[in-house]
Amino acid sequence: DQQVKQNSPSLSVQEGRISILNCDYTNSMFDYFLWYKKYPAEGPTFLISISSIKDKNEDGRFTVFLNKSAKHLSLHIVPSQPGDSAVYFCAANLRREYGNKLVFGAGTILRVKS
Amino acid sequence: NAGVTQTPKFQVLKTGQSMTLQCAQDMNHEYMSWYRQDPGMGLRLIHYSVGAGITDQGEVPNGYNVSRSTTEDFPLRLLSAAPSQTSVYFCASRPGHRNQPQHFGDGTRLSIL
Repeated sequence: DQQVKQNSPSLSVQEGRISILNCDYTNSMFDYFLWYKKYPAEGPTFLISISSIKDKNEDGRFTVFLNKSAKHLSLHIVPSQPGDSAVYFCAANLRREYGNKLVFGAGTILRVKS
Repeated sequence: NAGVTQTPKFQVLKTGQSMTLQCAQDMNHEYMSWYRQDPGMGLRLIHYSVGAGITDQGEVPNGYNVSRSTTEDFPLRLLSAAPSQTSVYFCASRPGHRNQPQHFGDGTRLSIL
């Protein structure tokens, strides 16, 4: 039973356009959410995060939106660049009293075409 | 600026062999963890440690042991390798405060024949 779901295995976007990656979660015990980016043969690298007390966090071209009522998280990349082509993982952290663990989604492969 | 270092990068084992995957971090992070990545399943937590001398099980702990004798090192031991343990293994660390991102090593690709 996956608690964090990324329903789109892949996404293809034209350079300069917006990339929107989506993530849904089922557990109300998550209180901190993160996006990681992963290139082949490398470890995941942290991209951006958001606490459950916020609904938006922005860092340059990357914005994460959190809709707690819908249990939905999204990552917007504007404008998309070819170097953004990678696997993107959504992750959610359980509250300390529920185990203090990070749960990952299955990942979405983003391809940015030039 | 080493960060999280994993060794080896690649390993092939025969069924039944034992092996230790090494992980070291130089950031004085209290929290360390091990994940495995399998196709279509994202990263799944195997074991984690909130500090030296303290370890706990994650989502998929069976077949693996860990210990944390120092802050820097968090080795993962496969006691008797099975083909189902063929995977890419990632070690990660973060500061003690929980709302901090984890830093990952570059992984160990393990094949069990």
